[in-house]
Amino acid sequence: DVQMTQSPSSVSASVGDRVTISCRASQGISSWLAWYQQKPGKAPKLLIYAASSLQSGVPSRFSGSGSGTDFTLTISNLQPEDFATYYCQQSNNFPPFTFGPGTTVDIK
Amino acid sequence: QVSLRESGPALVKPTQTLTLTCTFSGFSLSTSGMCVNWIRQPPGKALEWLARIDWDDDKYYSTSLKTRLTISKDTSKNQVVLTMTDMDPVDTATYYCARVRVGAGGDRAFDIWGQGTMVTVSS
Repeated sequence: DVQMTQSPSSVSASVGDRVTISCRASQGISSWLAWYQQKPGKAPKLLIYAASSLQSGVPSRFSGSGSGTDFTLTISNLQPEDFATYYCQQSNNFPPFTFGPGTTVDIK
Repeated sequence: QVSLRESGPALVKPTQTLTLTCTFSGFSLSTSGMCVNWIRQPPGKALEWLARIDWDDDKYYSTSLKTRLTISKDTSKNQVVLTMTDMDPVDTATYYCARVRVGAGGDRAFDIWGQGTMVTVSS
């Protein structure tokens, strides 16, 4: 199975900050990497698919990059509604479709 | 508008079998490239993918849970059913169903999710 790791596990940031979250796959997954945002008590929401494609309706301050084993989610100009937990997920080698352990973005 | 909704018991006893239903609208599971997945999340923990069923009835299961899971679909009712046998307290979680589109034009990401249903395993 492909293992996904994320760093950091949590980050404290302020409104207006730029936040970068890393995701690493245990083996190459091409660009089949997605990012999700989850708020407490809510279902995850797709932000980025195919490593760098912005899902329809998602603000352009969210961006993704990477291929192979190393990926990054960047949130520029952090907004109050962006405080949440973020998960990466691979869909290249399956089953299973593995998720990362999550990164929580909270208020500094 | 695409939507999915999970339904099932909120409480099951250890060793019982859990049956969950995902009822969806806005797309058809007979359309090429359409797939429905089940994903769960224990309280305070990360997401765990469980199973997927495709438009052509291909099925995929979690490596660690495959002996306990069965996924099926009723295309005429727009429903996908997941059964999980021999439930244990560690299976306490919110269970989600989610759509994914594969093949030409598909993004292979879980683009639409249900609201989730919380299942507690306790005697």
